[in-house]
Amino acid sequence: QKEVEQNSGPLSVPEGAIASLNCTYSDRVSQSFFWYRQYSGKSPELIMSIYSNGDKEDGRFTAQLNKASQYVSLLIRDSQPSDSATYLCAVFVRGGNNRLAFGKGNQVVVIP
Amino acid sequence: DVKVTQSSRYLVKRTGEKVFLECVQDMDHENMFWYRQDPGLGLRLIYFSYDVKMKEKGDIPEGYSVSREKKERFSLILESASTNQTSMYLCASSFQIRDRATYEQYFGPGTRLTVT
Repeated sequence: QKEVEQNSGPLSVPEGAIASLNCTYSDRVSQSFFWYRQYSGKSPELIMSIYSNGDKEDGRFTAQLNKASQYVSLLIRDSQPSDSATYLCAVFVRGGNNRLAFGKGNQVVVIP
Repeated sequence: DVKVTQSSRYLVKRTGEKVFLECVQDMDHENMFWYRQDPGLGLRLIYFSYDVKMKEKGDIPEGYSVSREKKERFSLILESASTNQTSMYLCASSFQIRDRATYEQYFGPGTRLTVT
């Protein structure tokens, strides 16, 4: 089982709509979860961190964490063309080598 | 603002050359990381370091080595570059705040390495 899975294919949303991204993880004791945004040809940029169950809002972004079901999601409200990017989910993995495990990412395309 | 810099944005090297990729962070972070990113494979961890002169292998260390002589600098070395090491190389750094288990990593701009 992969540590972090992002299974959705490319997501196309009209401008102004809500984009919804999901991520599941396998490590039940994970405590720290992150969303990164990566524009084509650029490096990942941290946009959200969440550590507790529930919702965390930052501007047009909302991260949702459900530890019992082992998933974390990202909502982008009022999607803008500038939100077109790949979004990476990352989970802190405890163990001998404490590190972040990354999903492969979901591409979002916002259509004007 | 956290600032992570990498020595080159684009690099072209020949097969068999020794290649040095440099990374510097200015936030006094304990941890530093080297990843490579390839289409369809995502981010893969090559090596990381929790302290000066300390290094740990990641998921794909073969063909690479690292050096951390100063806290702010972490170097990735390709001992003998091969064409399958053509990739985007990303450096990242983070604090280690043990009580909250926070682990926010901040990335440099990346180095696009082409080995011919």
